[in-house]
Amino acid sequence: QVQLQESGPRFVKPSQTLSLTCSVSGGSVMSESYYWGWIRQPPGKGLEWIGSIYYSGTTYYNPSLKSRLTISVDTSKNQFSLRLTSVTAADTTVYYCMRHGKYTPGIDSWGLGTLVTVSS
Amino acid sequence: DIQMTQSPSTLSASVGDRISITCRASQSIDRWVAWYQQKPGKAPKIVISDASNLERGVPSRFSGSGSGREFTLTINSLQPDDFATYYCQQYNSYFWTFGQGTKVEVK
Repeated sequence: QVQLQESGPRFVKPSQTLSLTCSVSGGSVMSESYYWGWIRQPPGKGLEWIGSIYYSGTTYYNPSLKSRLTISVDTSKNQFSLRLTSVTAADTTVYYCMRHGKYTPGIDSWGLGTLVTVSS
Repeated sequence: DIQMTQSPSTLSASVGDRISITCRASQSIDRWVAWYQQKPGKAPKIVISDASNLERGVPSRFSGSGSGREFTLTINSLQPDDFATYYCQQYNSYFWTFGQGTKVEVK
């Protein structure tokens, strides 16, 4: 059973860059059947899709974040990463990494989530 | 972007009740809808994909229906473990969006 684990700084200053990595175990980011990606959720609020990546490097991004967002994959480390630039307090949320099917895109695996706080 | 309007926002129910949650899409999305259950402090868990496909390991009291713009998640004979928040999600095209969530609480 695949397991996902987010890692990265829990605090980021305004205008700086938020960087998170998701380590995958029990499965491979090179699987042809899945995409990998990120979802975020402000405490007590709803879910927002951030973006998804295929092992080949194909990416899909939320248009509202696209200008600040980079999602990348490192097949040698079996990891994928999120980079969000020019953060503000509005980017303070729980970030989940996830896996979804290529053909049936329901999200079938999630990380535990990590709260990132943007504050000076 | 496709808006998903979910209702009700809160549903008060008792163990054994049959409940339904509805999501309406702002445009037709065929059957490209999933439903998730989320408990406090936990990641969501998928219960239904492709509008009506029960995910592996999910009890058969959960069911999904609908196509086009209107979708429903039904739980027959609500169990104590089912009190949670439920979200619909559309994946008709890449800019996925979620409904606002329905909190199922004890009546």
